[in-house]
Amino acid sequence: SQKIEQNSEALNIQEGKTATLTCNYTNYSPAYLQWYRQDPGRGPVFLLLIRENEKEKRKERLKVTFDTTLKQSLFHITASQPADSATYLCALTPLTDSWGKLQFGAGTQVVVTP
Amino acid sequence: GAVVSQHPSRVICKSGTSVKIECRSLDFQATTMFWYRQFPKQSLMLMATSNEGSKATYEQGVEKDKFLINHASLTLSTLTVTSAHPEDSSFYICSAHRLAGNYRNEQFFGPGTRLTVL
Repeated sequence: SQKIEQNSEALNIQEGKTATLTCNYTNYSPAYLQWYRQDPGRGPVFLLLIRENEKEKRKERLKVTFDTTLKQSLFHITASQPADSATYLCALTPLTDSWGKLQFGAGTQVVVTP
Repeated sequence: GAVVSQHPSRVICKSGTSVKIECRSLDFQATTMFWYRQFPKQSLMLMATSNEGSKATYEQGVEKDKFLINHASLTLSTLTVTSAHPEDSSFYICSAHRLAGNYRNEQFFGPGTRLTVL
């Protein structure tokens, strides 16, 4: 069956350091992969999208890599700030889907302490 | 930016009643909207794909007669939870697929609706 796995344990990190989150998937051929941020009691907010033929994407302090051989994406928050504390979700859309359906991982909580 | 609203943000109802949740794309047209459900500490689970002017497509295991979806216009989709029971208590989130532009592959999410069934 298709699975999207993210670290279930919260990532505690000191302000200024780089947070690195992992998203692994199995039995999946994604057209593209997205990362979202979700705050408690709120809907997800889009951060970055990376396509299957792209290796890396950057946006300000965020960086995403996508390795379709390893079936893994890494999400980096550099120079982390307490305001970055949230749950980060990865989501995939399969190649076969024409509607842009997303399947989400369970998310990894990041806690940035001053 | 692309803004999606949901109404109500919270609802508490008695078991057996029906609850309607609205999802609106405020500044863009969305031919496709999605409805998700999220239980505490769990992933968002896609319930159904709502297409303007046609019947919704439900994911496996989601009862279409219990979760009625109507996508009456390019900016509005509604989810009605019929004969709600306590196990339907959850966080319901909609998203809208932008029709065109640089963001065609992004989904814009609403703020969610917390449903509590007593």
